[in-house]
Amino acid sequence: KQEVTQIPAALSVPEGENLVLNCSFTDSAIYNLQWFRQDPGKGLTSLLLIQSSQREQTSGRLNASLDKSSGRSTLYIAASQPGDSATYLCAGGSEKLVFGKGTKLTVNP
Amino acid sequence: NAGVMQNPRHLVRRRGQEARLRCSPMKGHSHVYWYRQLPEEGLKFMVYLQKENIIDESGMPKERFSAEFPKEGPSILRIQQVVRGDSAAYFCASSPDRTNSYEQYFGPGTRLTVT
Repeated sequence: KQEVTQIPAALSVPEGENLVLNCSFTDSAIYNLQWFRQDPGKGLTSLLLIQSSQREQTSGRLNASLDKSSGRSTLYIAASQPGDSATYLCAGGSEKLVFGKGTKLTVNP
Repeated sequence: NAGVMQNPRHLVRRRGQEARLRCSPMKGHSHVYWYRQLPEEGLKFMVYLQKENIIDESGMPKERFSAEFPKEGPSILRIQQVVRGDSAAYFCASSPDRTNSYEQYFGPGTRLTVT
């Protein structure tokens, strides 16, 4: 049974810092790894999808990597901004996504 | 191309009533997924549907919950005789042809409150 864990549960950083969010999973046979952003009271916005055969994806200031052998994915955010404040979720799987509980990020001006 | 649409956005029901949650997938998407987010919990998979078929309902509670995705119209998640523990945010997601990728696009959610 796949389990997804995200560390830390909360993170507070000053504006401009580079930061890394961590996601670990128990089943290395994970198919896809998807990172989302969730703002309070809102839905999920897909940030990056790393497909089974890929190791990383980049979009703007975001970079996500996937290491199946170690059961880890990281989301790197460069030059953080207050607008990046949100909860970041990682999820693994194919049709049935298994979610971590998220990392709540606060970027202070 | 409009995103995944869900309605209503907020729904209040008294214990014992029925709740019907609707989801219209993105245009061209034929796969629909429902997830539930309980307070202070992560999102949990409930059910995966294609048009007129339930593919995987392993996350659905055995009683009172049902889902459908008819040939025409939105997908419906139905909760009969709601209880306070059903209070949660219910999210719908859709994805295109499964042979392409499994990337899921989420709607804004329906927040169900049972009083």
